[in-house]
Amino acid sequence: DQQVKQNSPSLSVQEGRISILNCDYTNSMFDYFLWYKKYPAEGPTFLISISSIKDKNEDGRFTVFLNKSAKHLSLHIVPSQPGDSAVYFCAAGGNTGTASKLTFGTGTRLQVTL
Amino acid sequence: SQTIHQWPATLVQPVGSPLSLECTVEGTSNPNLYWYRQAAGRGLQLLFYSVGIGQISSEVPQNLSASRPQDRQFILSSKKLLLSDSGFYLCAWSESAGELFFGEGSRLTVL
Repeated sequence: DQQVKQNSPSLSVQEGRISILNCDYTNSMFDYFLWYKKYPAEGPTFLISISSIKDKNEDGRFTVFLNKSAKHLSLHIVPSQPGDSAVYFCAAGGNTGTASKLTFGTGTRLQVTL
Repeated sequence: SQTIHQWPATLVQPVGSPLSLECTVEGTSNPNLYWYRQAAGRGLQLLFYSVGIGQISSEVPQNLSASRPQDRQFILSSKKLLLSDSGFYLCAWSESAGELFFGEGSRLTVL
């Protein structure tokens, strides 16, 4: 049962334009969400997170939007840069005590073209 | 600052051979530690996590085991590898619930 879904395996965007990566979840008990960026043969690096009590969080070129009623979140990157080309993972976590048992999506490969 | 390292970075092993991947964290005390696996074309799957020395929780039944002999050391092992154990293994740590910090990853190929 895939509780966190990224239905687009890949996305191609021109440099300078907006990249929008989408993520859907099924478990209403998730209370925070994160986006990670991963380059080949490296570990994922944290990008941005959002609590379920918010609907938007912004950090520089990165903005995450959360629509709880639709169980949907998205990551906007504006403007997109060639260095943004990577695989992006959406992750969700709930109140599981002291451990951070994140559930990850399958990732979306973003290609930013010149 | 905190750092996390795991090794080896790449491993090619025959079916039936043992496995040991090691992960250490520096710059923090009593971290939560995690082992994730990314199989080809799939997301990151949580295998084990530990909230303290000797405390291991397994998330999925499998051919692997984990141990935490020291506060900042986490080891992933297998007595006999299967073809299906191939993948990219990631160690991670957190202070509590929330953001995870990942290591560089270990690519395991079982032939």
